[in-house]
Amino acid sequence: KAGVTQTPRYLIKTRGQQVTLSCSPISGHRSVSWYQQTPGQGLQFLFEYFSETQRNKGNFPGRFSGRQFSNSRSEMNVSTLELGDSALYLCASSYSRPGQGEDTQYFGPGTRLTVL
Amino acid sequence: LAKTTQPISMDSYEGQEVNITCSHNNIATNDYITWYQQFPSQGPRFIIQGYKTKVTNEVASLFIPADRKSSTLSLPRVSLSDTAVYYCLVLSYNTDKLIFGTGTRLQVFP
Repeated sequence: KAGVTQTPRYLIKTRGQQVTLSCSPISGHRSVSWYQQTPGQGLQFLFEYFSETQRNKGNFPGRFSGRQFSNSRSEMNVSTLELGDSALYLCASSYSRPGQGEDTQYFGPGTRLTVL
Repeated sequence: LAKTTQPISMDSYEGQEVNITCSHNNIATNDYITWYQQFPSQGPRFIIQGYKTKVTNEVASLFIPADRKSSTLSLPRVSLSDTAVYYCLVLSYNTDKLIFGTGTRLQVFP
């Protein structure tokens, strides 16, 4: 079956703009997690959604938000973009919530966001 | 909070076996250990996952001692295409955030 898909793959924005990224999980998966990856900070957890509810949130400002739809697809939004928001944004899906037994998270290819 | 610690980098040659160890001292009873491989500008790719003792699949083995405070990913007979960053992750249901370690950059030479 198809893997996790993310759109768009590449995005260029300017400071102050906002951006919306989309993630379609593997069919049947109900949990979607978002991560930010930068060379300096590595992989950092943003938030996790399960059954349309945010269940966990990392240490990011309120400019970062997300949501999950009834079909488990998820979007994340970043408002008032800053230069430091340039990163690879990764989405991962799993059937159950992360950490519940041996269920595994599978990652999408990521969206490369560049803020100018 | 199950933070992981790995060596920053490792070098190897084609055909050798590579072992990458990850420390996770605060692992909880029900936590699983997962390893991912990542190439530049791509999402992490699942390699293997385990809870205790030894797990083997077609690409790697995972060794977990009885105290579960560390784990070792073993890649048999590496090739140039195994050059990548390898991450150890402990997914803990009860933590308020999920943390990846810094990863181990493996460089395979011909």
